Amino acid sequence: GAGVSQTPSNKVTEKGKYVELRCDPISGHTALYWYRQSLGQGPEFLIYFQGTGAADDSGLPNDRFFAVRPEGSVSTLKIQRTERGDSAVYLCDKAGPGYTFGSGTRLTVV
Amino acid sequence: KQEVTQIPAALSVPEGENLVLNCSFTDSAIYNLQWFRQDPGKGLTSLLLIQSSQREQTSGRLNASLDKSSGRSTLYIAASQPGDSATYLCAVLNDYKLSFGAGTTVTVRA
Repeated sequence: GAGVSQTPSNKVTEKGKYVELRCDPISGHTALYWYRQSLGQGPEFLIYFQGTGAADDSGLPNDRFFAVRPEGSVSTLKIQRTERGDSAVYLCDKAGPGYTFGSGTRLTVV
Repeated sequence: KQEVTQIPAALSVPEGENLVLNCSFTDSAIYNLQWFRQDPGKGLTSLLLIQSSQREQTSGRLNASLDKSSGRSTLYIAASQPGDSATYLCAVLNDYKLSFGAGTTVTVRA
């Protein structure tokens, strides 16, 4: 979507590998969200940043998932020891006012 | 935990027919409700946002109503066109995060 860049657009990785997914809100927003969308489902909340800090990380499924936003702009979602169940589209959203979603990163764990 | 349900899961109509998409949510303490459109392999495009104090919003051929006390919203699309074919997602905002339904996939036949 306009105003949010997510890279890579597609990522295929082997089970057990480490991956990083990047979100650049471009114009910069205080609030930034990560969601995960599995096939045939709506997006599910993962984590929400206000500035540099994670205001709510209650949606992260387990401790293999971690996200950072060190300068309050670009954010990276990190997944360790990937599993096949991590396969999904990972969406980033900059909020306020309104919502602008990126086109997502489609992660496939084989 | 907020639960959002969308009915029907899929809908196929001939061009020109009006569309009615339904959304229900379990926790009425929402800040706002949004309808999004998602095309295959793409991110989310915001269509209409209804604040919790509002009853409806309109944009062109789209009209969305909100009955917060009963936990329901309806999206109406008038005079459907093949270009309206997409998945429509309903989402509610509470506790600073969006909860999404699984979507209604619409096919408009020419």
